[in-house]
Amino acid sequence: TQLLEQSPQFLSIQEGENLTVYCNSSSVFSSLQWYRQEPGEGPVLLVTVVTGGEVKKLKRLTFQFGDARKDSSLHITAAQPGDTGLYLCAPTGGTSYGKLTFGQGTILTVHP
Amino acid sequence: DAEITQSPRHKITETGRQVTLACHQTWNHNNMFWYRQDLGHGLRLIHYSYGVQDTNKGEVSDGYSVSRSNTEDLPLTLESAASSQTSVYFCASSESWAKGTQYFGPGTRLTVL
Repeated sequence: TQLLEQSPQFLSIQEGENLTVYCNSSSVFSSLQWYRQEPGEGPVLLVTVVTGGEVKKLKRLTFQFGDARKDSSLHITAAQPGDTGLYLCAPTGGTSYGKLTFGQGTILTVHP
Repeated sequence: DAEITQSPRHKITETGRQVTLACHQTWNHNNMFWYRQDLGHGLRLIHYSYGVQDTNKGEVSDGYSVSRSNTEDLPLTLESAASSQTSVYFCASSESWAKGTQYFGPGTRLTVL
């Protein structure tokens, strides 16, 4: 079982600030997914990263997959209150057979 | 539009009672999953199914059971509810192992008194 760590656990910032959250493991990922969960709802997929060193952008969100495929980061530029939520990472592919094992997540609060 | 629904959205029950949470998806997905979400533990996999008549235990399966009699539904049963099973339960589905995006339902908040 791979140990998946997300940091920070909590993040409270003002609108317009930049932030980065991290997802780290002692194991190599075949690929990795990032989900966002808004209060009272289920998680929604943001992105899947597959290749070591890969960078994907989704508007103000930038996702990076580490070269060794053991870590990933999510950077948000000019955060907005609508970015508030729980950000979860989960390795996928390989021997996961479609199952997801989530990290504990980062709870982000963006104040107006 | 295709969707995944859960019912009830909120449930209060007593210790020892049997409870069944419903999950219904219209994506025609083969894979379906049940998770529970608790503070400090994130989302943990309870049971999952890769198709009709297939069920598998996840990380925290004790005290729970599922059955898959058709593609659309994967009901989760708590045989004898315990206070430790107070949680928010999420159902999810995905098309295949290769297309690994999971689509989650809105969740069921279960309180066991």
